[in-house]
Amino acid sequence: DAGVTQSPTHLIKTRGQQVTLRCSPKSGHDTVSWYQQALGQGPQFIFQYYEEEERQRGNFPDRFSGHQFPNYSSELNVNALLLGDSALYLCASSLGGIGSYEQYFGPGTRLTVT
Amino acid sequence: QKEVEQDPGPLSVPEGAIVSLNCTYSNSAFQYFMWYRQYSRKGPELLMYTYSSGNKEDGRFTAQVDKSSKYISLFIRDSQPSDSATYLCAMSLYSSASKIIFGSGTRLSIRP
Repeated sequence: DAGVTQSPTHLIKTRGQQVTLRCSPKSGHDTVSWYQQALGQGPQFIFQYYEEEERQRGNFPDRFSGHQFPNYSSELNVNALLLGDSALYLCASSLGGIGSYEQYFGPGTRLTVT
Repeated sequence: QKEVEQDPGPLSVPEGAIVSLNCTYSNSAFQYFMWYRQYSRKGPELLMYTYSSGNKEDGRFTAQVDKSSKYISLFIRDSQPSDSATYLCAMSLYSSASKIIFGSGTRLSIRP
């Protein structure tokens, strides 16, 4: 049973460019959450998708947007990249129903903005 | 002030020692409390999950939540070199499948 997968593993972009990161949830999971983890910090919640809709959002600007597809996979898009966007981007999947308590994290995509 | 405060360490202890990791938080509405372990270049992995106050034990790991003091702890007994990792405390309002607020993580090293 495949866990959460993310692509690409590493990415280098230039300031001002746009980037798209991809996530496939664990089999059977229907909810995807995205987190940003700066070096030496804990993950920070960006947003969560359920039934192809953004259900919750953290304190991130509109440059950060996402999408969830009918097969529950998800994309994170970041426009007008800033140096401060350099971080590990983590995707976590879970079951969206009441009582579900565990989020499974993928290995992350390391984004470097130069 | 951060919602969740965690000492970043690093913490280095000899193999076999008891390890105590702690976090404090400011939002009394938090109901779900978790500890994640993160190895280098990997995503976080859920270790322990507790709802509301109390203790929970799982093998060598014990999680404690004191909501009156807004303080949570993770104890590791008989620590092993394979326990060397960053430990992240985390909490959420409605369920651990919703938005999770993480501490900054404590880097732990177990010396053989």
